[in-house]
Amino acid sequence: DAGITQSPRHKVTETGTPVTLRCHQTENHRYMYWYRQDPGHGLRLIHYSYGVKDTDKGEVSDGYSVSRSKTEDFLLTLESATSSQTSVYFCAISANRVVNYGYTFGSGTRLTVV
Amino acid sequence: ILNVEQSPQSLHVQEGDSTNFTCSFPSSNFYALHWYRWETAKSPEALFVMTLNGDEKKKGRISATLNTKEGYSYLYIKGSQPEDSATYLCALFRGGGSQGNLIFGKGTKLSVKP
Repeated sequence: DAGITQSPRHKVTETGTPVTLRCHQTENHRYMYWYRQDPGHGLRLIHYSYGVKDTDKGEVSDGYSVSRSKTEDFLLTLESATSSQTSVYFCAISANRVVNYGYTFGSGTRLTVV
Repeated sequence: ILNVEQSPQSLHVQEGDSTNFTCSFPSSNFYALHWYRWETAKSPEALFVMTLNGDEKKKGRISATLNTKEGYSYLYIKGSQPEDSATYLCALFRGGGSQGNLIFGKGTKLSVKP
């Protein structure tokens, strides 16, 4: 998707290992989000950022941490991966005044924890 | 817990049929409602952002209405085509000011048979 890229696209990791997913944007948007998508649950918010070094928790934040040291990058870290964190992870961005603009989503990262 | 409910969960129609689905949400402290279209193996794409009671939005054969007092939104597709096959998500924006984020429903999966 134009302006937002996620890496890696696919990853298999072992239980107990730390994993970092990267979201990179070239739109200079203030807001960035991490969601996970699981069957039967839809998209659930993990963490979000409303500016550099400004982050907050979403509804499923346990076991995850984030960092945003510059506008373009938002990193999601699984501190010690568990099988329950096997999922597809989507990053999203939006411009100022979130109420008036839709989100732009990345292509997703499929993470498998074995 | 903020619940955004979508119905039906899935829908199968023939090419040329018109169809509609429902998104229900808590009516208190309303800010905005988003609709997204999500094709298989792709990322969600924003269709509409609706903020005012009575809002009606249209894009081609797809339109949406909003009732914030009773807490529902309808998405209509006129003359469905196979390329309309996708999952349609609604999402409620919560929080005001510079923060806030979207809470997604689980979606309505539409399949259009030629």
